[in-house]
Parts: sequence; C-alpha cells; structure tokens
Amino acid sequence: QLALTQPPSASASLGASVKLTCALSNGHSTYDIAWLQQQPEKSPRFLMKVNSDGSHRKGAGIPDRFSASSSGAVRYLAISNLQSEDEAAYYCQTWGSGSVVFGGGTTLTVL
Amino acid sequence: QVQLMESGGGVVQPGRSLRVSCAASGLTFSRYPFHWVRQAPGKGLEWVALISYDGKTTYYGDSVKGRFTISRDNSKNTVYLQMNSLKSEDTAVYYCVRDQGFGELLFYFDYWGQGTLVLVSS
Repeated sequence: QLALTQPPSASASLGASVKLTCALSNGHSTYDIAWLQQQPEKSPRFLMKVNSDGSHRKGAGIPDRFSASSSGAVRYLAISNLQSEDEAAYYCQTWGSGSVVFGGGTTLTVL
Repeated sequence: QVQLMESGGGVVQPGRSLRVSCAASGLTFSRYPFHWVRQAPGKGLEWVALISYDGKTTYYGDSVKGRFTISRDNSKNTVYLQMNSLKSEDTAVYYCVRDQGFGELLFYFDYWGQGTLVLVSS
C-alpha cells in the first residue's frame, strides 16, 4: 500500500536551517513526490516536485532558501535561513494507480 | 491570474446530499484536470477525487467511493462535487485544486482555492 510517513513536528531557530523528511512505504522507493506548505489559516501551496534522483522543480515564487533531495525511499525538504513566515505545516504528496496520497504533515515551529 | 472559487458548503444532516462547486478563471479551463482535496478541522490533507481535462476519467479516494461524484462543465469553467449519503466524518474544508498537467494528468497540484466548509451534523 502506497503511503508516506512524516514526523508530526519539528522546530528550529530563526535564521537556522532545518531538514524535513518524508518516507515512502516499502516497494515505493522510486516514486516522485511533491512538497506543499500550509501557513496558518491559509490554503496549501505547492513548493516543489522531487524526483527519486533528488532533482526537483520549484513552483513559481518559491525562494532559493527551499531545496530538496532524495536518498533511497526518503525525500527531504531543506529550508535555510529560517524566517518567521516559514512556520507552517509541510505535507508531502505522491501518486500512483489513479490515487493521490498525502503524508500526515510536519508542523514546523520557528523559535 | 488563476482563481478558483469554491461555493456551496454549509450545514447538512447525516445521510443527506450536498453539491459544492468550483468556478475557475484566468486559465484555459478545458485543458486542465482538477481535484478535490479536503481537510477535517485540525487535521491533515485528504485527497477526495480527480477529473481529467475532458471529463472522461475520474478517480476517487476509498473513503468516498460510491458516495461522491466529481464532474465538470467546460462551458461554464466549473467543477462540481456531488456528495451523497453524507457522514459526520465528511466534515471538512473542501478545496478545489488544479492539476499541473496541461492536457494530461500529472497528479500533483499548483493552484488551490480558498476552500468551502461542509459540516455534517444533526
């Protein structure tokens, strides 16, 4: 069964860097994913699509502070020089066999 | 610019039906697939359904299969979600979302609407 696992929470200080993880279920390590950001009380927005080789394509207007990588069945979202507006929920998303799957989301707190 | 405007949400009793709509503007509507994604209060995102650009292909999440129907009217730039046999667990904000595929299904998104709240309660 295609599934994504994310830690429920993460925190880092203003100006620091953080790396969020998204783990694909067994047998699905070659799947591409997308990262989404949902700031409080707002609709989600597309950050980037990440391929299994770690290459990625960002959405329009996404700052260079956001990047992605991949290692095996894990996809990463890295955010550098954390800003207060980065405090948000981050979701990974994948797809297969006519279905779309979301991870449970990671709530990032900027200290 | 691309705008997606959901409407039709509200309070509905369990077992009843409701149809929500998504009016799109600022895009070549007939060439894009669309999805509905929902979010229960305080919870994460759940994919509900998708429809191809020409309306010929639809897919549904397991929790709504057989109860919900997605459709579109390309002459009105509108996507619909007909929800039947509603349950309390269907309570959520329903987002209309554009697939990034132009003339194809890519299964990942770019533009999101602001959402419409559906509250299933007696």
